Amino acid sequence: KQEVTQIPAALSVPEGENLVLNCSFTDSAIYNLQWFRQDPGKGLTSLLLIQSSQREQTSGRLNASLDKSSGRSTLYIAASQPGDSATYLCAVRPRAGKSTFGDGTTLTVKP
Amino acid sequence: GAVVSQHPSWVICKSGTSVKIECRSLDFQATTMFWYRQFPKQSLMLMATSNEGSKATYEQGVEKDKFLINHASLTLSTLTVTSAHPEDSSFYICSASPYIQGVGALSNQPQHFGDGTRLSIL
Repeated sequence: KQEVTQIPAALSVPEGENLVLNCSFTDSAIYNLQWFRQDPGKGLTSLLLIQSSQREQTSGRLNASLDKSSGRSTLYIAASQPGDSATYLCAVRPRAGKSTFGDGTTLTVKP
Repeated sequence: GAVVSQHPSWVICKSGTSVKIECRSLDFQATTMFWYRQFPKQSLMLMATSNEGSKATYEQGVEKDKFLINHASLTLSTLTVTSAHPEDSSFYICSASPYIQGVGALSNQPQHFGDGTRLSIL
């Protein structure tokens, strides 16, 4: 059974800092990994999708890496801003079947 | 980008009422949609996988007679919470991945989520 762990559960940083969020998974037989952002009381917004054959994906100030063999992914946020405050979730997806989500990391960026 | 619309966004109703939540893929077709439930400060819990034209697949512990799912078209799935009680109060979210006729469901495409429905049963 796939298990996804996100560390830390919560993170508070001053504005402007670069930061890394971690996601680990127990079964490396994944098809892709997706990072999401969730604002309070809202649905999920897709940030980055990494296919199993890829090492990283970038979008603006966000960079996600994937090391499938070690079961790890990181989400790097550069020059953090207060608007980045949210809960960040990672989800791994097998070739067929359902995705497994981590419990998320709640990020607070202080002005 | 791909958009999933979920309606209503917030429902408050009395105990015993049945509530229907709609999930629509606005600019793509989806043979499969997923329904999740989320408790405060917790991650998403998959309730069921909605399959167009066939019965939904429910996760262990989810009552199929309580949570009725209908996926009548390639762009619409509905979740009906029947005879809702206060313990059914939660945040319900749907998601969908694109499907292309002749190719099938695209597992290599992102999942797109609706904005969720806050259900409060008094």
